[in-house]
Amino acid sequence: KQEVTQIPAALSVPEGENLVLNCSFTDSAIYNLQWFRQDPGKGLTSLLLIQSSQREQTSGRLNASLDKSSGRSTLYIAASQPGDSATYLCAVPKTSGSRLTFGEGTQLTVNP
Amino acid sequence: DGGITQSPKYLFRKEGQNVTLSCEQNLNHDAMYWYRQDPGQGLRLIYYSQIVNDFQKGDIAEGYSVSREKKESFPLTVTSAQKNPTAFYLCASSMKGDAAYEQYFGPGTRLTVT
Repeated sequence: KQEVTQIPAALSVPEGENLVLNCSFTDSAIYNLQWFRQDPGKGLTSLLLIQSSQREQTSGRLNASLDKSSGRSTLYIAASQPGDSATYLCAVPKTSGSRLTFGEGTQLTVNP
Repeated sequence: DGGITQSPKYLFRKEGQNVTLSCEQNLNHDAMYWYRQDPGQGLRLIYYSQIVNDFQKGDIAEGYSVSREKKESFPLTVTSAQKNPTAFYLCASSMKGDAAYEQYFGPGTRLTVT
């Protein structure tokens, strides 16, 4: 059974800092990996989707990497801003279909 | 604007009552999903539907029921058999019911049962 872990559970940084969020998964046979952002009391917004054949995916100040063999993905946020404050979740689909297994998320606070 | 709508945003019910949560999408997506989110836990899949008139149980389907009579709509009924119904419920959709396609989420419904 796939298990997804995100460390740390919470992170507080000053504005402008570069930071890394971690996601690990126990079964490396994943189809892809998706990173989401969730603001308090809101739904999820898709940030990046990395295919299993890719090593990296970039969108603006966000860069996600994927190392399937070690069962890890990182989300790098450059020059963090207070508007980046949210919970970040990663999710992987089971190889045979579209059902996603989610991590518990990292709650990020960027202080002005 | 294309997107997913969920209504209502907040819902309050007495224990023992069934309640139906609405989810509508105008993205022309084939697949739709219902998740439950509890504090400190990741999202858990309740039901999903890959095509109209077809749906499958997810990991925590007990006490829930769904229907998929129209492509745009995937309502979720929380029955009195669900032991701990108070939670944040999220609906999602994807173009196809395949892992290659991103899932897009609605704003959620917070259900409180007392």
